[in-house]
Amino acid sequence: GDSVTQMEGPVTLSEEAFLTINCTYTATGYPSLFWYVQYPGEGLQLLLKATKADDKGSNKGFEATYRKETTSFHLEKGSVQVSDSAVYFCALSVNFGNEKLTFGTGTRLTIIP
Amino acid sequence: GAVVSQHPSWVICKSGTSVKIECRSLDFQATTMFWYRQFPKQSLMLMATSNEGSKATYEQGVEKDKFLINHASLTLSTLTVTSAHPEDSSFYICSAQSDRGSYNEQFFGPGTRLTVL
Repeated sequence: GDSVTQMEGPVTLSEEAFLTINCTYTATGYPSLFWYVQYPGEGLQLLLKATKADDKGSNKGFEATYRKETTSFHLEKGSVQVSDSAVYFCALSVNFGNEKLTFGTGTRLTIIP
Repeated sequence: GAVVSQHPSWVICKSGTSVKIECRSLDFQATTMFWYRQFPKQSLMLMATSNEGSKATYEQGVEKDKFLINHASLTLSTLTVTSAHPEDSSFYICSAQSDRGSYNEQFFGPGTRLTVL
């Protein structure tokens, strides 16, 4: 079945550090890939997405490239801020219109000043 | 825009009682809502897909008689945990699907933490 594996946290970085959160997937067909972010006390929010191979999703300084050859969708940011502290979830959907999402376990990120 | 609320945000109940959780889309209409369950340090697991005016579609392994879902309007879906037991303690999250634009994005509620004593 479909699954998403992302690096376990928690991850603690200093402000302005480079961030990578790894995500790999297994899916039948050609999935769409997503990163969601959950700030404390709030619901999950879509951070970025990519719908086909080699697409790059980007938002708020975060980027992730859909790599079909390595079945990966790693999240990166060049310089993190304290406000980026949150839980990040990688997810996939096989049926674009249906949007049944399969999530990874989430990675808690803490940025210290 | 695209805000989804859940009520209550947390609830504690005795074993054997039933608990209702509401999920509302505040500024858009949602034909489809989803209910997820999240255990500590685990991923969100889809429980069921709720379509307005029709019966919910449950994922394999989810007891439909235990987790009653009602999607009575385009802005409200409810999840009732019937005869709750301690193993039902979990974090329940809903999402509402918006049909705005070309992409049916899901918007998530903040979740409800259920503790069954």
